[in-house]
Amino acid sequence: NAGVTQTPKFQVLKTGQSMTLQCAQDMNHNSMYWYRQDPGMGLRLIYYSASEGTTDKGEVPNGYNVSRLNKREFSLRLESAAPSQTSVYFCASSEPGGHMNTEAFFGQGTRLTVV
Amino acid sequence: QKEVEQNSGPLSVPEGAIASLNCTYSDRGSQSFFWYRQYSGKSPELIMSIYSNGDKEDGRFTAQLNKASQYVSLLIRDSHPSDSATYLCAVNDYKLSFGAGTTVTVRA
Repeated sequence: NAGVTQTPKFQVLKTGQSMTLQCAQDMNHNSMYWYRQDPGMGLRLIYYSASEGTTDKGEVPNGYNVSRLNKREFSLRLESAAPSQTSVYFCASSEPGGHMNTEAFFGQGTRLTVV
Repeated sequence: QKEVEQNSGPLSVPEGAIASLNCTYSDRGSQSFFWYRQYSGKSPELIMSIYSNGDKEDGRFTAQLNKASQYVSLLIRDSHPSDSATYLCAVNDYKLSFGAGTTVTVRA
């Protein structure tokens, strides 16, 4: 059981380049999330998707777009990368909150450097 | 006000002592609460979930929830050096929000 799979694990971009981070989960979860984590900081929510076909902005959405391709997959796109987007990115999935068994599971992370 | 706030730390405790971590949340209607542990360079991993007022124990870990005061805490008893990590408090309402984390160092 793979859980949550993110690709790539590492990426170096030049300023202005674009890229898409891929995330897939095999737990049949309805909710999926993208976070960024900077040194000494917690996880900041970029975008989330509470169900297939819906996406919502989180705390730090500027400079990013997302696509919930189907129930399994949730991608994060940087259209024009900036050095401020250098970070570690995590994808996670869960059932929607407010109930039991709504814990989230995380992918391995993508370490992105923008030069 | 941030949705989830943690005492910022860092927290240093001797081996064998109790480490106490606290977290407050802003939405009185929140129902689902979690503690995650994150080792340096790794993904967060779930160590405790709690949904009802009171205490929940799992081995050396105890989570405490007080919905009236809107706080959730984590106690780590008999701390080991392997418990040295960052501990993240999380609340799952319609979205999953995290505190900034508390870094714990257990001194041998």
